[in-house]
Amino acid sequence: NAGVTQTPKFQVLKTGQSMTLQCAQDMNHNSMYWYRQDPGMGLRLIYYSASEGTTDKGEVPNGYNVSRLNKREFSLRLESAAPSQTSVYFCASSETTSSGNGYTFGSGTRLTVV
Amino acid sequence: GQQLNQSPQSMFIQEGEDVSMNCTSSSIFNTWLWYKQDPGEGPVLLIALYKAGELTSNGRLTAQFGITRKDSFLNISASIPSDVGIYFCAGAGAGSYQLTFGKGTKLSVIP
Repeated sequence: NAGVTQTPKFQVLKTGQSMTLQCAQDMNHNSMYWYRQDPGMGLRLIYYSASEGTTDKGEVPNGYNVSRLNKREFSLRLESAAPSQTSVYFCASSETTSSGNGYTFGSGTRLTVV
Repeated sequence: GQQLNQSPQSMFIQEGEDVSMNCTSSSIFNTWLWYKQDPGEGPVLLIALYKAGELTSNGRLTAQFGITRKDSFLNISASIPSDVGIYFCAGAGAGSYQLTFGKGTKLSVIP
């Protein structure tokens, strides 16, 4: 009953470094999402993948890339980290056919860029 | 695009008090959801609403799907310290599985 698993849980990067945030779900969901959460800003959608093989930009995609590796895994990459990317990042997944069950979220990755 | 206004932004209440928060939308939603985020964790679904006028309870929590389909309310009765966290509303339009989220209400409970 793992649900959505995110790794790592914490990360500190220097400006300009790159890293990939990993996300995997075991609920056979078609759709997956990456959000960032900043104080007072709520959850802002970075990228999403409606189904395996497709990805689309969300509200704040600049500075990020994603890969939908297979149905289970959806990764988020920062090619050249900037202090403005200091945030908490959440991955989520959902069924595609209905909004009724909502999204299932991971427990987050807390990223600090110095 | 669709926007959700969630209020209040934050609340400080005494243990035992009742709490109310709400969300309003610029467009009609077919589904309203309420999530709670505990400190250091991801949001977890509390209540889902599917019909205009629907009133649904989950323990001390009660949520309502507004008649106009443009708003929803969450009430927490007799608050306890573990109610602390951020509460998010979310909605989906007709034929859509994708959610629009409110900015959250941060609840603090004073023992």
